[in-house]
Amino acid sequence: TQLLEQSPQFLSIQEGENLTVYCNSSSVFSSLQWYRQEPGEGPVLLVTVVTGGEVKKLKRLTFQFGDARKDSSLHITAAQPGDTGLYLCAGVPDAGGTSYGKLTFGQGTILTVHP
Amino acid sequence: DTEVTQTPKHLVMGMTNKKSLKCEQHMGHRAMYWYKQKAKKPPELMFVYSYEKLSINESVPSRFSPECPNSSLLNLHLHALQPEDSALYLCASSQGYPSSYNEQFFGPGTRLTVL
Repeated sequence: TQLLEQSPQFLSIQEGENLTVYCNSSSVFSSLQWYRQEPGEGPVLLVTVVTGGEVKKLKRLTFQFGDARKDSSLHITAAQPGDTGLYLCAGVPDAGGTSYGKLTFGQGTILTVHP
Repeated sequence: DTEVTQTPKHLVMGMTNKKSLKCEQHMGHRAMYWYKQKAKKPPELMFVYSYEKLSINESVPSRFSPECPNSSLLNLHLHALQPEDSALYLCASSQGYPSSYNEQFFGPGTRLTVL
């Protein structure tokens, strides 16, 4: 069972278009991170959200954490070819037990922005 | 300094070889991780070290042997690997584990090919 459902899995758009990536779960998360990974490199942390309803902006990227802390979204405005990469959401489940502290990853979204 | 370094960048080994992957961080983080990542998939957790002690082994085969010589260094010793072990091996670190705010910083990875 995939705890974090990320969609879409693939996104191919033209430069200048807007896009949104979603990360959904039926479980509550203490925090949620978004990473971007380029081919042959490690994931780079973009943002961490921890408060329900929180919105964070990083230049043309806007990140939102759902009020109930079960979902998150990443919106990119006016995408550029440099935004191309694998986007991963990852979170720490709120419940205790053996999963506490581990990062649970979504399946990833492969974004291609064409010039 | 938010850098995690990994060596080597690329490694090709035969099934009878013994090799080691190395990871280093100087952020004062007390938790370090090994992940395995296949192409276009999210990272899969292998091991977690917390305060230089092995906290989690995700049922990884014994041909992978982790070692944490000190709080800044993490090694992964490889022996008698199989071709299906070919993947990108990522090291990551975070301030502590377990934590509800588990921001992990990843290294660039080692691309391992087993012939």
